[in-house]
Amino acid sequence: KAGVTQTPRYLIKTRGQQVTLSCSPISGHRSVSWYQQTPGQGLQFLFEYFSETQRNKGNFPGRFSGRQFSNSRSEMNVSTLELGDSALYLCASSLGAMNTEAFFGQGTRLTVV
Amino acid sequence: TQLLEQSPQFLSIQEGENLTVYCNSSSVFSSLQWYRQEPGEGPVLLVTVVTGGEVKKLKRLTFQFGDARKDSSLHITAAQPGDTGLYLCAGRVGSDKLIFGTGTRLQVFP
Repeated sequence: KAGVTQTPRYLIKTRGQQVTLSCSPISGHRSVSWYQQTPGQGLQFLFEYFSETQRNKGNFPGRFSGRQFSNSRSEMNVSTLELGDSALYLCASSLGAMNTEAFFGQGTRLTVV
Repeated sequence: TQLLEQSPQFLSIQEGENLTVYCNSSSVFSSLQWYRQEPGEGPVLLVTVVTGGEVKKLKRLTFQFGDARKDSSLHITAAQPGDTGLYLCAGRVGSDKLIFGTGTRLQVFP
């Protein structure tokens, strides 16, 4: 059974640009959550999607957005990139909306220069 | 704001020593999980505890969920260099988002 796949693994962008990250959950999993991880702030929750609907949202500015497709794949988008957006972005897949066990991808390392 | 505080923040020990990591909150969790993360990789689920007072063992790792389901501990016996990594606890209150603890970075020297 394939795990959670995130693409790309590494990304370098310039300030002001936008970026789209992709996440394919484990087959059969319908919930996808996104997290930002930085050395200073730890793992910060961005948003959670279940059956194409956003269930929960973290305290991030509107520049951070996401969506989920009918096949449960998810994308997150960050517009007008800032230097502080440099981080490891992690996607987690869960079986259902109330299922607490999350399985993570390897992450996308975003560097904003 | 739900917070999961972990202690200690950093731990540096010699191979063969025992250690305990704590995860505390003022919130009651329906379940709590422990993850280990290595540099540049995503966290890997180690265990889920559900029942207050529950104890689970995974080889040399022992996990305990507090009776009130507000706290948890991870005890490692005879630590090995392969145990090195960032240990994270995580929990969800009701249907709210899954939140993560502040993390404990463990370094085990040969």
